[in-house]
Amino acid sequence: QVQLKESGPGLVQPSQTLSLTCTVSGLSLTSNSVSWIRQPPGKGLEWMGVIWSNGGTDYNSAIKSRLSISRDTSKSQVFLKMNSLQTEDTAMYFCAKLGVVFDYWGQGVMVTVSS
Amino acid sequence: DVVLTQTPSILSATIGQSVSISCRSSQSLLDSDGNTYLYWFLQRPGQSPQRLIYLVSNLGSGVPNRFSGSGSGTDFTLKISGVEAEDLGVYYCMQATHAPLTFGSGTKLEIK
Repeated sequence: QVQLKESGPGLVQPSQTLSLTCTVSGLSLTSNSVSWIRQPPGKGLEWMGVIWSNGGTDYNSAIKSRLSISRDTSKSQVFLKMNSLQTEDTAMYFCAKLGVVFDYWGQGVMVTVSS
Repeated sequence: DVVLTQTPSILSATIGQSVSISCRSSQSLLDSDGNTYLYWFLQRPGQSPQRLIYLVSNLGSGVPNRFSGSGSGTDFTLKISGVEAEDLGVYYCMQATHAPLTFGSGTKLEIK
């Protein structure tokens, strides 16, 4: 059974760095990519970036300068780090395996940027 | 970036009614490998998105066959043949042909 679960702080201060973890079970990270997607309250979905099965990464150009995605395959974890947070980064953050035929999503973690 | 324009933004339907949602792309989504990486998702209130359709017209695992997808190039449609109460939520199209992956702005389905 494939499961993805996001974890991280619910509240981050403006200008600080957000660190989130996606813990994956039932999938090998060396054979599968994992994406991060976010959704501001009441708004649509924004793809943030992906870490590929070979460890390479691609990022949304709009946030590329602030974003880093990495992984620890031994722990089946994928990490997101985004710096210089602003209030507009307040959102639900999802990790997901977006395969061609199958996809799996985490439940999401709500992150609020506020002082 | 590829822009996906969904219409309508809000759809109100009665139980049993058939409805369609349009997704138009700013570029052709036909990939050089012959596939068209256009997907449809439903996000029910308070839940993560759930994929309904992959590669334009293929029904996802466990998805009821009242859902169907069609289209090619830049114009795509999701049809629900006989809306049920559990279909309420926001529908999104998504393309993965061109980097970065992008989503449509969403269509909210309300049940009258």
